[in-house]
Amino acid sequence: GAGVSQSPSNKVTEKGKDVELRCDPISGHTALYWYRQSLGQGLEFLIYFQGNSAPDKSGLPSDRFSAERTGGSVSTLTIQRTQQEDSAVYLCASTATGRYGYTFGSGTRLTVV
Amino acid sequence: DQQVKQNSPSLSVQEGRISILNCDYTNSMFDYFLWYKKYPAEGPTFLISISSIKDKNEDGRFTVFLNKSAKHLSLHIVPSQPGDSAVYFCAAVDYNTDKLIFGTGTRLQVFP
Repeated sequence: GAGVSQSPSNKVTEKGKDVELRCDPISGHTALYWYRQSLGQGLEFLIYFQGNSAPDKSGLPSDRFSAERTGGSVSTLTIQRTQQEDSAVYLCASTATGRYGYTFGSGTRLTVV
Repeated sequence: DQQVKQNSPSLSVQEGRISILNCDYTNSMFDYFLWYKKYPAEGPTFLISISSIKDKNEDGRFTVFLNKSAKHLSLHIVPSQPGDSAVYFCAAVDYNTDKLIFGTGTRLQVFP
């Protein structure tokens, strides 16, 4: 597609439930990032996929968070046993070269009640 | 630890005047810097960037200055317009990992 697509755009879930957030990057983009922005906070790095290399998972806040990227394209961020502190906007970005022209999706606003 | 810092959470500027947004970084392995602009309910959009081999890059009303010795960069917007009101994020790319690290953002408000 023309841009980075994220779904759902909004998600309300009960504490303790699992959620899956999806990112469709721009076709051909080899690098994909997940960030999150909590209320009043900056963009917090979560995970980074680059081509066929092992992902950089250093930003995942706990083992309840995981992400995968199938076929080098679509990525899914999974949060297990959600907590209220997981409430945030989760943003996905992709780029062709790994350092220029990162394109962001509009994000998924996750609310854990 | 915050490797990219934007110490001013907000800035208010009159239309037509210059807006100056500042950013400091600590990692000497950063070699490329970007500014992103974010409106509410939208993803950040790329604004302007600068390589560490330069000290200035200009694009229309937007100019980014880099002072490597001070590990400081700034974004100048002149003249400021009400449509520039948004949150501005500074970001840096680590030379070794290609990881993009963001600052905490500065909310700019341009009033008439």
